[in-house]
Amino acid sequence: RKEVEQDPGPFNVPEGATVAFNCTYSNSASQSFFWYRQDCRKEPKLLMSVYSSGNEDGRFTAQLNRASQYISLLIRDSKLSDSATYLCVVNKGDTGRRALTFGSGTRLQVQP
Amino acid sequence: SAVISQKPSRDICQRGTSLTIQCQVDSQVTMMFWYRQQPGQSLTLIATANQGSEATYESGFVIDKFPISRPNLTFSTLTVSNMSPEDSSIYLCSVGLTNEKLFFGSGTQLSVL
Repeated sequence: RKEVEQDPGPFNVPEGATVAFNCTYSNSASQSFFWYRQDCRKEPKLLMSVYSSGNEDGRFTAQLNRASQYISLLIRDSKLSDSATYLCVVNKGDTGRRALTFGSGTRLQVQP
Repeated sequence: SAVISQKPSRDICQRGTSLTIQCQVDSQVTMMFWYRQQPGQSLTLIATANQGSEATYESGFVIDKFPISRPNLTFSTLTVSNMSPEDSSIYLCSVGLTNEKLFFGSGTQLSVL
């Protein structure tokens, strides 16, 4: 089983739609969770952290479910500029190791 | 955040040669990492670059193939040695700030013929 699993997509949605991605992780010791965005041929950029209490930033909402070991990202009112690959990122949970594990990403294509 | 300058941005190399990638950060950082992203795949951690000591390599990566230098808190290099076509990939330098958030350089796209 992969450490971090995501549906690769692509998710093709019209402008204005609401879309949600899920990501599952295998290491129950993981403590830190993030969503990164990667545009084509660009480096990943941090979109938002995911907290136990949930996290909202404008049109983006992230949730964590520790019991089921998954995190989610909800995008409301999709814009063309939201088209990108969204990477789920989880820390390894090892003591003293701050390295992160990246999922393979979910591709979103917002259509006009 | 941090401003990370990575170079070269791309290179085309011959089999058997080596390429050194440089990463310069605009502030002192403790944690620096090197990642690889193969075509159509996600990022895989190669190693953690430790200042003043040997790098910590992940499973499947060895120092002889990917030697890393970290002479100070703002600079690191990754060398891809004795290259083969399987090494064709994007190599990314990253720095870890508080709360494990990572910031990335713009990457080096390597093609090995």
